[in-house]
Amino acid sequence: GAVVSQHPSWVICKSGTSVKIECRSLDFQATTMFWYRQFPKQSLMLMATSNEGSKATYEQGVEKDKFLINHASLTLSTLTVTSAHPEDSSFYICSGQSGAQEETQYFGPGTRLLVL
Amino acid sequence: GQQLNQSPQSMFIQEGEDVSMNCTSSSIFNTWLWYKQDPGEGPVLLIALYKAGELTSNGRLTAQFGITRKDSFLNISASIPSDVGIYFCAGRWEGSQGNLIFGKGTKLSVKP
Repeated sequence: GAVVSQHPSWVICKSGTSVKIECRSLDFQATTMFWYRQFPKQSLMLMATSNEGSKATYEQGVEKDKFLINHASLTLSTLTVTSAHPEDSSFYICSGQSGAQEETQYFGPGTRLLVL
Repeated sequence: GQQLNQSPQSMFIQEGEDVSMNCTSSSIFNTWLWYKQDPGEGPVLLIALYKAGELTSNGRLTAQFGITRKDSFLNISASIPSDVGIYFCAGRWEGSQGNLIFGKGTKLSVKP
């Protein structure tokens, strides 16, 4: 149980274009979903937290107008990287949490983004 | 801000050896989680700890929630080649509103 999927698994795009990444909880309802970014050989850095039906909460230094997050249902959250630039190239990972704050987060397999 | 210190940064061991890694925090945590991440994939939960002093096993893995609530360790016994990967500790501190903070990871290499 507790499976999270991401789509696409990797994407290459031109600078200036927008990219949408989907995160789905397949066998549980994710009240809260988290989006992380991971650069090579580094740890996961939280970008934002989203609760179903409400606006996402962004971590300090993360531009909310550049990284648009939508958590429209209890099983789907999307991250859109708008006007992507090469420095946005990274590994983006989402996680879902089913209930109370002490619940475990289950991670998706990640999306590798390369902006040319 | 909150910080987690995870050590060692990397380990090179022989198959069959036991492994130990740990994390320490600057403040009191109420949850400790240990994840393993393979290259190009998301982290997979290994063990979750919720109470000070808690000792939990998952096969050859054992993790403990330190009694001071500021540290946790993960042990792997009788390592095998498929244990290779990066192990991350993660935790929630009081007042984190559910958010996790991650350690920098321990890269484990196992020589057959």
